[in-house]
Amino acid sequence: DTEVTQTPKHLVMGMTNKKSLKCEQHMGHRAMYWYKQKAKKPPELMFVYSYEKLSINESVPSRFSPECPNSSLLNLHLHALQPEDSALYLCASSQDGDTRNQPQHFGDGTRLSIL
Amino acid sequence: QQPVQSPQAVILREGEDAVINCSSSKALYSVHWYRQKHGEAPVFLMILLKGGEQKGHEKISASFNEKKQQSSLYLTASQLSYSGTYFCGTEKTGTYKYIFGTGTRLKVLA
Repeated sequence: DTEVTQTPKHLVMGMTNKKSLKCEQHMGHRAMYWYKQKAKKPPELMFVYSYEKLSINESVPSRFSPECPNSSLLNLHLHALQPEDSALYLCASSQDGDTRNQPQHFGDGTRLSIL
Repeated sequence: QQPVQSPQAVILREGEDAVINCSSSKALYSVHWYRQKHGEAPVFLMILLKGGEQKGHEKISASFNEKKQQSSLYLTASQLSYSGTYFCGTEKTGTYKYIFGTGTRLKVLA
């Protein structure tokens, strides 16, 4: 069992739908991350929150909107997605935002399919 | 600036050894190693910091040569449970942005 919990595990949505992905951790970590992973590719960083503030946005299209309500929760709001956005979305957390010295703990991901 | 891993894929028999390499075109402060099984979360294996330090985790160890800007992961006496995709990871120098290597798919056969 992972210590980072993501819901839902699977999501199918149309291009006009609005949905949200949720991520929760109770390890007292102060940094949380969203990654996108296509099949047979490495995860790609999308967003980083450090101490509940958005610190990194890797030029992600505005149809993806992150939110960090508190240090334990991370949401990713989805709107008007494109078929190429179909992927596994991974959430991770670390002690703080300095990824040089700390491991990241990943959730099992949400597998998203856009029709 | 994505680290390049080699080989891309490897098939082993149980008990055999393997080495996975991770090379960067930029200076590395540290290298991390993760293993991801199909349909599961990436799992952290170890961090290598500057200094050529070698770390171990069960029968898996790694080395880091910052001058050569590369790290190697050593799997000895491989077990079926070692199957998965191995990623090295590092920070894009000076940015706090994390980047994974290209990945190595490893399959251990009975």
